Amino acid sequence: KNQVEQSPQSLIILEGKNCTLQCNYTVSPFSNLRWYKQDTGRGPVSLTIMTFSENTKSNGRYTATLDADTKQSSLHITASQLSDSASYICVVSVGYGQNFVFGPGTRLSVLP
Amino acid sequence: DSGVTQTPKHLITATGQRVTLRCSPRSGDLSVYWYQQSLDQGLQFLIQYYNGEERAKGNILERFSAQQFPDLHSELNLSSLELGDSALYFCASSVAGQGASEQYFGPGTRLTVT
Repeated sequence: KNQVEQSPQSLIILEGKNCTLQCNYTVSPFSNLRWYKQDTGRGPVSLTIMTFSENTKSNGRYTATLDADTKQSSLHITASQLSDSASYICVVSVGYGQNFVFGPGTRLSVLP
Repeated sequence: DSGVTQTPKHLITATGQRVTLRCSPRSGDLSVYWYQQSLDQGLQFLIQYYNGEERAKGNILERFSAQQFPDLHSELNLSSLELGDSALYFCASSVAGQGASEQYFGPGTRLTVT
């Protein structure tokens, strides 16, 4: 069964600190992995998209890694800001964009 | 602002009724995706259209249907509504219909079934 798991479920950090969110997947055939940021009640916003051959991709203070062998991905946030408070969702595309399997998300709270 | 528009923003209706949600993709995008986000199930992919043709189908119920029109806007029709259909419905668009194409999400339509 295609499945995406994320950890931790929630995370609280202080402003300026770094954090790393995890995503494990059992999806076949794998096409690509996406990280989204979603503010409460709003549409998700794409952070990174990684294909099978990519190990690392950055978008400003966000850096995603992908290990296709262990089927794990991480999203590292550097020098967190209050505006980083949101849910971060890992999504894996099945086949050639035939389906999308969403993780449950990690709820990040950045405190001053 | 992603450039994707969805109407209406909110919709309240009764069980057994039928509703239509509308989505206009970003200018130049040919592909439209529909997603459902409920509290207990998270985000789920429903269906994708590319240039008027159905391209991929996810966890879409038989009571739900969608189409994409020649002007590329899309509509999601939900019928025989149940309480469990209450959710946020998002539309997203992308230039391409496959592969690692960036998807831009709209603000969503919040459906409440009473």
